Amino acid sequence: AQKVTQAQTEISVVEKEDVTLDCVYETRDTTYYLFWYKQPPSGELVFLIRRNSFDEQNEISGRYSWNFQKSTSSFNFTITASQVVDSAVYFCALSGSNYGGSQGNLIFGKGTKLSVKP
Amino acid sequence: GAVVSQHPSWVICKSGTSVKIECRSLDFQATTMFWYRQFPKQSLMLMATSNEGSKATYEQGVEKDKFLINHASLTLSTLTVTSAHPEDSSFYICSARGLLEGSSYEQYFGPGTRLTVT
Repeated sequence: AQKVTQAQTEISVVEKEDVTLDCVYETRDTTYYLFWYKQPPSGELVFLIRRNSFDEQNEISGRYSWNFQKSTSSFNFTITASQVVDSAVYFCALSGSNYGGSQGNLIFGKGTKLSVKP
Repeated sequence: GAVVSQHPSWVICKSGTSVKIECRSLDFQATTMFWYRQFPKQSLMLMATSNEGSKATYEQGVEKDKFLINHASLTLSTLTVTSAHPEDSSFYICSARGLLEGSSYEQYFGPGTRLTVT
């Protein structure tokens, strides 16, 4: 079975602090895809990143960075110099080898609510 | 970029009535659409998968006679909540799977529909 665990329910930081959101996944597929989404209060999911299981290179995009480690089945997300606008719920998600197919739905973690205070 | 729309964005209805939610892919053909449900402060859970021209596949525990899904064209899927009750109040999000020219299959999420049943 596939599963995504986000152990941090809520995190509160002060602006300009760095913050890391943890994500641990379980899957038996050798090919799989990992995602991070941001969900602001409006509810609309904002796509942040997709990573496939064969690409373990870490990724940096502006203040965002992602650390993918297959050895620990983790795909952690770090926000550097956090800002108030980063306040949202962040979801980590997983899709198996059939992501491009008709059964390629995403399995979501429970989400981490990030509050960045000024 | 790919856009998926949902209509309405929010709806309030009385208990016992039916509500139809539309999910449209605006600039690509979506052979598969996924319907998710998100209760307040919870994660997204897959309800059903719909493929164009065929019957939807429902997840365990989701009543197919209550949540009617129709995927009559490659750009439109509808979810009808029949005889709605207050416990059906939730945020309903669709995602559309499609192939953009020169790219690979991807999934794109709609902005969601907030349903409140009074």
